[in-house]
Amino acid sequence: DAKTTQPPSMDCAEGRAANLPCNHSTISGNEYVYWYRQIHSQGPQYIIHGLKNNETNEMASLIITEDRKSSTLILPHATLRDTAVYYCIVRNKIIFGKGTRLHILP
Amino acid sequence: DTEVTQTPKHLVMGMTNKKSLKCEQHMGHRAMYWYKQKAKKPPELMFVYSYEKLSINESVPSRFSPECPNSSLLNLHLHALQPEDSALYLCASSQVDLFANTGELFFGEGSRLTVL
Repeated sequence: DAKTTQPPSMDCAEGRAANLPCNHSTISGNEYVYWYRQIHSQGPQYIIHGLKNNETNEMASLIITEDRKSSTLILPHATLRDTAVYYCIVRNKIIFGKGTRLHILP
Repeated sequence: DTEVTQTPKHLVMGMTNKKSLKCEQHMGHRAMYWYKQKAKKPPELMFVYSYEKLSINESVPSRFSPECPNSSLLNLHLHALQPEDSALYLCASSQVDLFANTGELFFGEGSRLTVL
């Protein structure tokens, strides 16, 4: 199974872009990268996923490097409600890593 | 309807009790999952059902017994639990199973279990 590595915590000022990195250097060619977040005491929430190309939806953008060994989740204008733990998961095995605890600072 | 509903939201039980956690979805998803989450830790996969059949058991102790009566329902039967089993139990569903590389997980809000 492809393993992911994320920084344990990050801070971001409210209104700025939050860029959350994820390393998945052992990813296989057919494995997608999925991002979820978990706000305190709630179930995880799906954000976005991608295979090779960059992706954007109403919540975030996902940038995947050409070699697919890493990706970055971008929250373009972070708000206090974006404070959460963000998990990067490589599909085929739904194993959550430790994630990144994102603090949005007012 | 994009909801996964879990009941009860909170459960307190003694070590000799038998109880069940329930999960329901009406999105037509054919894969359903149980996760266990301790405080400040990531969710830990326990079981996966695909087309009502158990496809993954992550070496979970037999005091946890999953059941999938139909494609919309998933139960977790609890018996002779230990205090260290106290945790948030999360149910999730997805459109396809683990091995098809598509389909995001939809999570319920969880059942918070306390074992005395």
